[in-house]
Amino acid sequence: DVKVTQSSRYLVKRTGEKVFLECVQDMDHENMFWYRQDPGLGLRLIYFSYDVKMKEKGDIPEGYSVSREKKERFSLILESASTNQTSMYLCASRSGRDYEQYFGPGTRLTVT
Amino acid sequence: AQSVTQLGSHVSVSEGALVLLRCNYSSSVPPYLFWYVQYPNQGLQLLLKYTTGATLVKGINGFEAEFKKSETSFHLTKPSAHMSDAAEYFCAVSGWMDSSYKLIFGSGTRLLVRP
Repeated sequence: DVKVTQSSRYLVKRTGEKVFLECVQDMDHENMFWYRQDPGLGLRLIYFSYDVKMKEKGDIPEGYSVSREKKERFSLILESASTNQTSMYLCASRSGRDYEQYFGPGTRLTVT
Repeated sequence: AQSVTQLGSHVSVSEGALVLLRCNYSSSVPPYLFWYVQYPNQGLQLLLKYTTGATLVKGINGFEAEFKKSETSFHLTKPSAHMSDAAEYFCAVSGWMDSSYKLIFGSGTRLLVRP
């Protein structure tokens, strides 16, 4: 079974802090994604990566950056957290030979 | 550009009743379509997908969906709801955008199952 894990299920940070969200997948997938999920808005793509050290902006990249130093690991970085970044963050991965994305359990981030 | 519309942010059914969750999509190319389910405090799990071939797709937990190109729809159904089906359901369309395959999600439908 494909397994996507995220470093924290719940996280509370203060405004202005630098926040790291880590995602690891164990299926050697080329593509990895970060989404945020907000009520009534569904999932919105923040960034994605189709290879090591490669990254592409999604629909809402402002205020975020990413890092992919190893194929299995994709990190989302909030350089200076703000209250409007309080949300559920979901990581996903996908093989280059398929269309299905596999999701991690999510990190619920609260910025106070 | 691709887009997905899910009609009804909340759907309530009685246990044993038919479940129908509606999804309409917009796509300029043949779409790949997905239904995902999210149980409380969990990530998304794939229920079923349509890529090519048979337009009636069967998924896990007794769910199925039918791709209707003429109606640009991919509605999700289950003949008899169980209490364990209470969750949020997301329809998604995949397509080639900005030099990559992406998933575009609908805003979700929360299914409530009454005893």
